[in-house]
This record gives sequence, structure tokens and C-alpha cells, in this order.
Amino acid sequence: DTAVSQTPKYLVTQMGNDKSIKCEQNLGHDTMYWYKQDSKKFLKIMFSYNNKELIINETVPNRFSPKSPDKAHLNLHINSLELGDSAVYFCASTLDRAGRYTQYFGPGTRLTVL
Amino acid sequence: SQQGEEDPQALSIQEGENATMNCSYKTSINNLQWYRQNSGRGLVHLILIRSNEREKHSGRLRVTLDTSKKSSSLLITASRAADTASYFCATALNYGGSQGNLIFGKGTKLSVKP
Repeated sequence: DTAVSQTPKYLVTQMGNDKSIKCEQNLGHDTMYWYKQDSKKFLKIMFSYNNKELIINETVPNRFSPKSPDKAHLNLHINSLELGDSAVYFCASTLDRAGRYTQYFGPGTRLTVL
Repeated sequence: SQQGEEDPQALSIQEGENATMNCSYKTSINNLQWYRQNSGRGLVHLILIRSNEREKHSGRLRVTLDTSKKSSSLLITASRAADTASYFCATALNYGGSQGNLIFGKGTKLSVKP
């Protein structure tokens, strides 16, 4: 059973389009995250959610809008895609927001903006 | 801002040798986690070491933590070709608005030659 899953795995789109990435975890965790990994493999936190509520928005442009319909799901919608948005996006989850436990990562979504 | 810095950036060894990777960080942490990422794949959690722990083992992996020096090391003993991957340290802060978020280093790219 997949613990943290993301769809799609690959996403190729044109500049200016709007796209969404979905994430689901079946671990019963309260806290979920989105990370962005750039072309140099640097991983950076984007958002964290706890029980469907936004905790942290790490200075991400407002073209990025996360949505959590329930605590097992955290989706990422991106408006007006730009070339610089090309990256691998990882979803992760953990037991609680205090940072005491392991974060489990999804397989990633490779976004390519042309 | 980036918290962790790994060194070396790249490491090439022969199968059977030991591999040591180091990580330094800047601020007070709750715990430090090591992850592995195979090329084009997601992140796999290896070990979590808490701020009050000094050493942890898991199979061929040994992690140390020195909070006075704000540094950690990951030792892989008797390396195998399958250990070829990028290794990241990530620190979980224990204070402030970013509490719980993982701050990643740039990673060490390990190549194990058969």
C-alpha cells in the first residue's frame, strides 16, 4: 500500500496554463507539506497544513494555492504557469506539526513548463 | 533560508568501502533526519536522530549528532553499488513559526563503483 501518493507523476504544459497536482496520504497523519526541488536538487518547503488548515506559506507566489479538503489530502493548484515553475514537487506528511516525527514523502511530480 | 550544508558535495568510492557524509546546521533543532534520493525518484527516509541523542544505528547506517558543533554525520559501512544516490540531511526546527518544517541541505551525491 502506498503511504503518500501523488498524481500525476509527470506534467508537461505551456506557459500561462493552470494545473493541479494531487496528494493523498493513508497514514492517518495530521500534517502535510508541499516541497519544491529545483534543477540543482535543492529542496525547499512551500506550504504546511495541519488538519486542513494552513500553517506556513514560505513566501510562495500567490499563483500557488494549496487546498486541503480533508486531512488526508493536500492538493496544489498553480495558476498562470511560468518557466521558473519547472521543478519536481513533493508532497509529504507527518504525525503532527511539532516536527518531532519522520516526514514521509510522495514519489514526486515532475512539472515541465514550456 | 538554508539551514543544512552537507559535505562533500560529491563522493566516489569503491564497493566495500565506507562512506562518510557530514552535515552542518545553524540554529536550534528538534531533530535531524537523513534521506536518500535515487536518481529521478522520491525521498526515502533513513534515520531520525533527536537533539538529545548522540548516535543511532540502522543496519549499515550510523548517524551521529553533535549539537554543540551543530553537526551530524552519516556513515554507510561496506557500501554497495545500490547505495549510489544523493543523501540529504534535514533539520526540524523546534521554535517559531517554522516549527516542524524540514530545512534541507544541498545533498551529497554518492557514487559507489562495483
